[in-house]
Amino acid sequence: QQKVQQSPESLSVPEGGMASFNCTSSDRNFQYFWWYRQHSGEGPKALMSIFSDGDKKEGRFTAHLNKASLHVSLHIRDSQPSDSALYFCAARAQTGFASALTFGSGTKVIVLP
Amino acid sequence: EAAVTQSPRNKVAVTGGKVTLSCNQTNNHNNMYWYRQDTGHGLRLIHYSYGAGSTEKGDIPDGYKASRPSQENFSLILELATPSQTSVYFCASGGGGGAGNTLYFGEGSRLIVV
Repeated sequence: QQKVQQSPESLSVPEGGMASFNCTSSDRNFQYFWWYRQHSGEGPKALMSIFSDGDKKEGRFTAHLNKASLHVSLHIRDSQPSDSALYFCAARAQTGFASALTFGSGTKVIVLP
Repeated sequence: EAAVTQSPRNKVAVTGGKVTLSCNQTNNHNNMYWYRQDTGHGLRLIHYSYGAGSTEKGDIPDGYKASRPSQENFSLILELATPSQTSVYFCASGGGGGAGNTLYFGEGSRLIVV
């Protein structure tokens, strides 16, 4: 079983709409979470990190973390065609593997014009 | 932003052949990583390094070796390539100063083993 699980696998959202997707960790050592975005043919790029309970907002993107349930979500407001991409949730423990990240399998977001 | 460059970007190799994927970072990061990306699996850690001269096994190291000859360079070596190693490989670097550090990825190397 993957330690970081994402849902749904894919979703479509109309331009200007709200896209929301989720991530859950099964490892209680994971306390630090990132969202990465990958456009087709490119490498993943860090979108935002969240380490504390509650919401974190950066522009049109809002991440929410519940440490008790190890659940993270990402919400994209006013979705744009450029938001069409593969979104990865990634998590890290305090120690081990030289701060390597463990990734989920990704959520593919398609923004429909 | 951190710059991580991979080569080659595309490679076709024959089964049993040797493949070397190279990675260079120009941001003086201590830690470097090799991941592979496959549909349904996300990115999985193969090898990583704390600095020049060090290499460590990640989650899926079998069939791969790594080399870190300098702070800037980190190579992934497939001594005897197999079709199951057909994948997209990503190199990343990070400051390693704590759990809050971001990883920066290269553009990927697509490997097909026939």
